[in-house]
Amino acid sequence: ETGVTQTPRHLVMGMTNKKSLKCEQHLGHNAMYWYKQSAKKPLELMFVYNFKEQTENNSVPSRFSPECPNSSHLFLHLHTLQPEDSALYLCASSQDELVDSGANVLTFGAGSRLTVL
Amino acid sequence: SQQGEEDPQALSIQEGENATMNCSYKTSINNLQWYRQNSGRGLVHLILIRSNEREKHSGRLRVTLDTSKKSSSLLITASRAADTASYFCATDGETSGSRLTFGEGTQLTVNP
Repeated sequence: ETGVTQTPRHLVMGMTNKKSLKCEQHLGHNAMYWYKQSAKKPLELMFVYNFKEQTENNSVPSRFSPECPNSSHLFLHLHTLQPEDSALYLCASSQDELVDSGANVLTFGAGSRLTVL
Repeated sequence: SQQGEEDPQALSIQEGENATMNCSYKTSINNLQWYRQNSGRGLVHLILIRSNEREKHSGRLRVTLDTSKKSSSLLITASRAADTASYFCATDGETSGSRLTFGEGTQLTVNP
């Protein structure tokens, strides 16, 4: 739809499971992002990759581990999560995070709805 | 402190009416963007207004920016049921570079 595809769309996991969220974009963008969206809270930026290099880790717990093998793919590896980690995880991409013009427009995927039991 | 804050938190109107949503922010910005999110989906970029612009139009959307008051408004004219969604403002501050900070959003319901 938007050019950013997230899988799976829904995931239910126990606290001891290990799972991964996948994000793929075919827009030729060089920056990719993970956001967490919880009810009644603003979007929380988790990680940013620009040209495959991590440029932001917003004090995210180590039970979330990102991986960016190339500019088109982004993963979020999950292990020993807590129930409070249940949320909608949104992946986004943009042309380049460090644009001089300051016009960093994001294209979002549809999100992965995560439920931790 | 949170950068973009939208108000109202929720707005319910009848089809055909205009909807106005407001956004306030705290620090200087380079530009301000509005995004829309349908329930359970990702955000979709609607419009961007730069700090040196005061008003911008796109179809039925009209955005204003008042940097002296650190506020912006999004007006949707002649609303339709399909406009039902959450609307978020996002700012990239002079201190955060091009990183976007989102508000909590306004939930708009347009009743047919």
